[in-house]
Amino acid sequence: EVQLVESGAGLVQPGGSLRLSCAVSGFPVTENYMSWVRQAPEKGLEWVSLIFSAGGTYYADSVKGRFTISRDKSKNTLFLLMNSLRVEDTAVYYCARVGMAAFDLRRAYFDFWGQGALVTVSS
Amino acid sequence: DIQLTQSPSSLSASVGDRVTITCRASQDISKYLNWYQQKPGKAPKLLIYDASNLDTGVPSRFTGSGSGTHFTFTISSLQPEDIATYFCQQYNNLLFTFGPGTKVDIK
Repeated sequence: EVQLVESGAGLVQPGGSLRLSCAVSGFPVTENYMSWVRQAPEKGLEWVSLIFSAGGTYYADSVKGRFTISRDKSKNTLFLLMNSLRVEDTAVYYCARVGMAAFDLRRAYFDFWGQGALVTVSS
Repeated sequence: DIQLTQSPSSLSASVGDRVTITCRASQDISKYLNWYQQKPGKAPKLLIYDASNLDTGVPSRFTGSGSGTHFTFTISSLQPEDIATYFCQQYNNLLFTFGPGTKVDIK
């Protein structure tokens, strides 16, 4: 059974840092494309970051230079290190696996999701 | 960057009604459009990928169609458990984009 379980949620002051973890079971993190998606309170979904199986990483402009996505093969875990946090980063953060039909990235979708981790940035 | 718009932003319908949601893309995205259901306090769930393909285990009352810039998502007979917000999503040029969502509730 596939499971993604986030941890590391919490309250942090503006300018502070936080690291989210996403422990995965059911498939190897390093052999899949993985992402973080966030949702501000009462708002829509916003893609945050992507890591390819080969290790390449990509970010939304809103977090570029502040957030870092990474993974640990031995722990089968995905991470999101968030630095220089802003009030507008307050959101529920979801980790998700990126699936795609016929290995065509144009056809990418998020087929497995974690339960979400609430990050609150406030003084 | 490709933008996605959805209409309506919310709707109320009766149990058994047919419900249709529209998603429009700012550029031609062929058939590469996906739909998700999100219930309150829960993570989104993939329902449809490539505009019209049902994900595993998704009830057949959910259907999708469209290509290019115009897509539709339909619930053929609304059920109480379908109360949720529905999002469309596309991927292009290292950027994932979601529509703003359509909130569906029971009249």
